[in-house]
Amino acid sequence: DAKTTQPTSMDCAEGRAANLPCNHSTISGNEYVYWYRQIHSQGPQYIIHGLKNNETNEMASLIITEDRKSSTLILPHATLRDTAVYYCIVRVGNPGSEKLVFGKGTKLTVNP
Amino acid sequence: AAGVIQSPRHLIKEKRETATLKCYPIPRHDTVYWYQQGPGQDPQFLISFYEKMQSDKGSIPDRFSAQQFSDYHSELNMSSLELGDSALYFCASSFRGQSTEAFFGQGTRLTVV
Repeated sequence: DAKTTQPTSMDCAEGRAANLPCNHSTISGNEYVYWYRQIHSQGPQYIIHGLKNNETNEMASLIITEDRKSSTLILPHATLRDTAVYYCIVRVGNPGSEKLVFGKGTKLTVNP
Repeated sequence: AAGVIQSPRHLIKEKRETATLKCYPIPRHDTVYWYQQGPGQDPQFLISFYEKMQSDKGSIPDRFSAQQFSDYHSELNMSSLELGDSALYFCASSFRGQSTEAFFGQGTRLTVV
């Protein structure tokens, strides 16, 4: 599985955009980039995923570079409830075997 | 919308006992994944099932076994429990394919004393 590299921690002011980077330089052409977050001891929560085009949903935007070697998750207006560990995951596998392999993640702290 | 249901939410067992954790996937999801998360650790993949067959295996101890039933629910059986098995156990489900998102349950907190 392709490996990802994320900053250990980041801080963001409430109401500002949070931009979380992720490097996945060994990503293959058929591998998707997924973002999940985990708020203390809760089940990981799906945020967004993409293959090569930028994606946006009600939670966040995902910007993937043209060479697909890195991506950025954008929370446009961070709130205190967005404080969590954010995981960038490259997902691949045969049908039924597309496990998500969690790395270290980024601890995002949103400050008032 | 229906989510992934895990039971029980909390479980306390003594060393050398057996525990069974249950997972009910989102309706029409055909794939189930199990994860273990120790204190201060990231979730670690244990095992997955696709259409009731084991599809992948991670760092699951031999003392653990799992299966997916005809109604797609899954059970994780843990025997000869050790103190180090104390952790959060998450189940996730998805509908085939890596382009579809997987959703996680709220987990079972297992404490071995």
